[in-house]
Amino acid sequence: DARVTQTPRHKVTEMGQEVTMRCQPILGHNTVFWYRQTMMQGLELLAYFRNRAPLDDSGMPKDRFSAEMPDATLATLKIQPSEPRDSAVYFCASGGTEQFFGPGTRLTVL
Amino acid sequence: AQKITQTQPGMFVQEKEAVTLDCTYDTSDPSYGLFWYKQPSSGEMIFLIYQGSYDQQNATEGRYSLNFQKARKSANLVISASQLGDSAMYFCAMREGSADRGSTLGRLYFGRGTQLTVWP
Repeated sequence: DARVTQTPRHKVTEMGQEVTMRCQPILGHNTVFWYRQTMMQGLELLAYFRNRAPLDDSGMPKDRFSAEMPDATLATLKIQPSEPRDSAVYFCASGGTEQFFGPGTRLTVL
Repeated sequence: AQKITQTQPGMFVQEKEAVTLDCTYDTSDPSYGLFWYKQPSSGEMIFLIYQGSYDQQNATEGRYSLNFQKARKSANLVISASQLGDSAMYFCAMREGSADRGSTLGRLYFGRGTQLTVWP
């Protein structure tokens, strides 16, 4: 049963620290998405890749966020430095027939 | 303007009854796809059903059906014979640029969701 995996599932950190979230897309999917979910904003697209190339990262605060796909089996989302307003659930999704979502990383920045 | 609007923050339905969750969308692109996802309290996002803009028939997947009214730009989700396990948040989403279900073109725009509670 192919699934998108994300690590860590939960992260608590202090303001100013670097946070790295990882995603393993479903093998064979060439499109990877990063979404953020908060109560206030709902689900927002941060960035997405096709064939490892970034296609759209307009939803991402560029001064502190960066997204990369070092290879086809790994996507990363980094926040440096983190701020309390970054507290959210971050979802990775990979695209085949539909977008399949990972379980999310619940980030709390104190 | 919001691309996806879900006007019902919460809905309640008795077990075994049918329920309709509303969704309207806004796009000028003739090619688009509409999705519904379920998010239970565990937090995962589960794909339920898809409707392409050129599909003539309403999509159905088991107990889920999508009431697609193109002229009204609405894509309501109908859940028949509700079960306690259907209690969850439901999100409507749209992808512009392609009506092909298999296409990975483009991002998904999500609505704010409807919290469905099924009671015994």
